[in-house]
Order: sequence, then structure tokens, then C-alpha cells
Amino acid sequence: RKEVEQDPGPFNVPEGATVAFNCTYSNSASQSFFWYRQDCRKEPKLLMSVYSSGNEDGRFTAQLNRASQYISLLIRDSKLSDSATYLCVVTIRAAGNKLTFGGGTRVLVKP
Amino acid sequence: GAGVSQSPSNKVTEKGKDVELRCDPISGHTALYWYRQRLGQGLEFLIYFQGNSAPDKSGLPSDRFSAERTGESVSTLTIQRTQQEDSAVYLCASSGQGGKTEAFFGQGTRLTVV
Repeated sequence: RKEVEQDPGPFNVPEGATVAFNCTYSNSASQSFFWYRQDCRKEPKLLMSVYSSGNEDGRFTAQLNRASQYISLLIRDSKLSDSATYLCVVTIRAAGNKLTFGGGTRVLVKP
Repeated sequence: GAGVSQSPSNKVTEKGKDVELRCDPISGHTALYWYRQRLGQGLEFLIYFQGNSAPDKSGLPSDRFSAERTGESVSTLTIQRTQQEDSAVYLCASSGQGGKTEAFFGQGTRLTVV
């Protein structure tokens, strides 16, 4: 089983709609959680950290569920520019806090 | 510079040649990562340096791959006797304290083996 798993998608989203997707992690000792965004043929860029109480950044909301070992990302009022691959990232203390990436969820926002 | 810098940005090499890729992390970042990304694929972990600890080399695909880092500065990834399947983008990232803060990526080196 992979340490961090994501639905690869694609999620086809009408412009203006809301889309949400999850990421599950296998190691209960996971410490820090992030969402990254990767555009085609570009490097990944940090979208937001995920805090235990959940956090919001504009149209983006991230949540952490430690009991069920998943994090989620919700995008409201989707824009065409939100089309990208969203990468879930987890750090595991036992692995020296090494970043572990999921395979990514592809989101396509269409007019 | 302010960000992670990688060089060269593009490299075309002949099969069987050795290549060396360079990464300049953000100043003060103790952790440094190398990843490989083949076209249309996800990130493949290669190696992780964290301060003075022994590097985590668990992702290196073969003994043709090696990496070094001196202190908390520059890292080089060396691929010996390149093969066509080594063609990919090689991404470097650095972070403040091994995951306690977020990591930042360089723009990558696109390697093509012909």
C-alpha cells in the first residue's frame, strides 16, 4: 500500500462549481500536511499547509481528519486557472520528516 | 538568490555518457530533496539530505545514480552511463527543517538521453 494515496482523476469541473477531493495516508504518525499544485511541465508549488483545525485561503479550504487519516481540499467558485494537478504531501517523523508525495489529482475546469 | 536554483535547465546527452546536475538550495535550508518526474507521471523520490544526518538514498533506482551535498549548500546528482529511460525532469527541493516547514522546488533540469 502506498504511503499517500490520491484519486488520479481527472475531475472535470464546470467553471464556477465547487470541487473537493481527498488524500489518504497510511502512517498514523504523520506530522505535517500540505497541498501543492503542479501545472503542466512546471515544478510543484506550495498551495497551502493543512492545520489540525482546518484552514481556508480564499476559495481553497483544507481539512485534516486524523482519526480517518485523510486530508481534503475543496475549491469553491472554480476558475479556468485552477486546472492543474494537486499533490498531497505528508511528512513522517519516523522517516526524519521526509516529505512524501501522493501521485496527484488532476482537475480540469471547463467553461 | 531567493529561490532554489537548478542547472542546467536542459541537458541532452548521448546514451552511455555521464551527467551531473546541480542544485543550489535556499540559503539556510537544512533539508534537500531530489525527485525524478517522467513525462505524464508523478514525482519519484530519489534522495533526501537532512543536515548532518546520513542521507536517505532509498529512492535511487540503481547504482548508476549518486548524489552529494556538502554541508547545507550545493548538491549534485550524478547519473553514470545514462540510459534512455533516464530521460525525465529532475527536480530539487529544499526546506527549512526537514518537513517542519514547507519545501520549495527549483524549476528542474530536463534531461534527454539520445
